Amino acid sequence: GIQVEQSPPDLILQEGANSTLRCNFSDSVNNLQWFHQNPWGQLINLFYIPSGTKQNGRLSATTVATERYSLLYISSSQTTDSGVYFCAVVSRGYSGGGADGLTFGKGTHLIIQP
Amino acid sequence: DVKVTQSSRYLVKRTGEKVFLECVQDMDHENMFWYRQDPGLGLRLIYFSYDVKMKEKGDIPEGYSVSREKKERFSLILESASTNQTSMYLCASNPGGQGGMTEAFFGQGTRLTVV
Repeated sequence: GIQVEQSPPDLILQEGANSTLRCNFSDSVNNLQWFHQNPWGQLINLFYIPSGTKQNGRLSATTVATERYSLLYISSSQTTDSGVYFCAVVSRGYSGGGADGLTFGKGTHLIIQP
Repeated sequence: DVKVTQSSRYLVKRTGEKVFLECVQDMDHENMFWYRQDPGLGLRLIYFSYDVKMKEKGDIPEGYSVSREKKERFSLILESASTNQTSMYLCASNPGGQGGMTEAFFGQGTRLTVV
């Protein structure tokens, strides 16, 4: 099946810093999502971005589908940005029958220090 | 806004008990999923359903079953709970169709401890 690799696995930054999180995937994708897992464990949707660029406030994401990677940018980090960020994909090999479960990377654990 | 609700945030059960984890979505989504999350292993798909009474095994279905009697509700069943099923369980749904090109939404998660 498709492989999803996220880097770096851990990142510690000071408040106000900018960061770039990377997601590489091993095959073409129909679907790519970025999530933030809050301290209580819930996955919060950040972006649905199988290709192109999107922005939402201090966060933006770019997916270059032809080169099989996606980037999540966080600018002017705040302590509330801390947590684990996941990239998840649905392979383009998905046949269209049945349902389309996401394959997740292992995540980037981000700590923003005051 | 899409809302996916799991019946319990925290659950403690004894080894051998039959355990039901319930999930309800309010957006008429076709597809529903159960994942478990473990340190070092990430999120893994247990089962999914693409229609009422239809179910498919995911990557790690052993020890679990599921039920989908109504479109909005998807239940995960541990027939005889074991300590290695102690985990975070996450339910998700998406609208379905479009070749997998739809956005998934997750519930708040259930932390299950089997003692």
